Amino acid sequence: TQLLEQSPQFLSIQEGENLTVYCNSSSVFSSLQWYRQEPGEGPVLLVTVVTGGEVKKLKRLTFQFGDARKDSSLHITAAQPGDTGLYLCAGAYYSDYKLSFGAGTTVTVRA
Amino acid sequence: NAGVTQTPKFRVLKTGQSMTLLCAQDMNHEYMYWYRQDPGMGLRLIHYSVGEGTTAKGEVPDGYNVSRLKKQNFLLGLESAAPSQTSVYFCASSDDSPHYGYTFGSGTRLTVV
Repeated sequence: TQLLEQSPQFLSIQEGENLTVYCNSSSVFSSLQWYRQEPGEGPVLLVTVVTGGEVKKLKRLTFQFGDARKDSSLHITAAQPGDTGLYLCAGAYYSDYKLSFGAGTTVTVRA
Repeated sequence: NAGVTQTPKFRVLKTGQSMTLLCAQDMNHEYMYWYRQDPGMGLRLIHYSVGEGTTAKGEVPDGYNVSRLKKQNFLLGLESAAPSQTSVYFCASSDDSPHYGYTFGSGTRLTVV
């Protein structure tokens, strides 16, 4: 059972376009993280958001944590082929030692 | 600065064979984890450890055993491999809390025939 639902499952866009990936849950998280995974490699942490309503920017990537701490979004502006990969969200519960992961969104940016 | 190292990177097993996957981290992290990744199902936690000498079951522990005899190493064992255990296995570690993120290894692709 996936506690975190990601949408869409697949996304294919042209270079220069914008895209948004969503991560939703019925549970409240103490923090939420986004990872990017390239083929043949392990996921790499992009950002951690911890405060409801928090917005973080990492160059062309904007991450938002919902006010109720149950959802998050990742927005990429002017996508580039180098943004291609599997994007995973992961949530941490209070007083827990482990993360729960969503199934991921596969993003393909065509040149 | 190696981070998290997994060995081997690829392995093919016959049904019923056993093997051990090794995970080593050089960051002095307390927490270590084993996940499996299957298409459309994301990362599912097999076992984890919150410190040397401790282990705990995750979401899908059946058919696997683990040991954490040294702080830097976390071993995942398959006693009698089954085709359902064909997957990509990832080890991860974190400092004093998973809230600040994991460092992942590059994975082991295991095929059971």
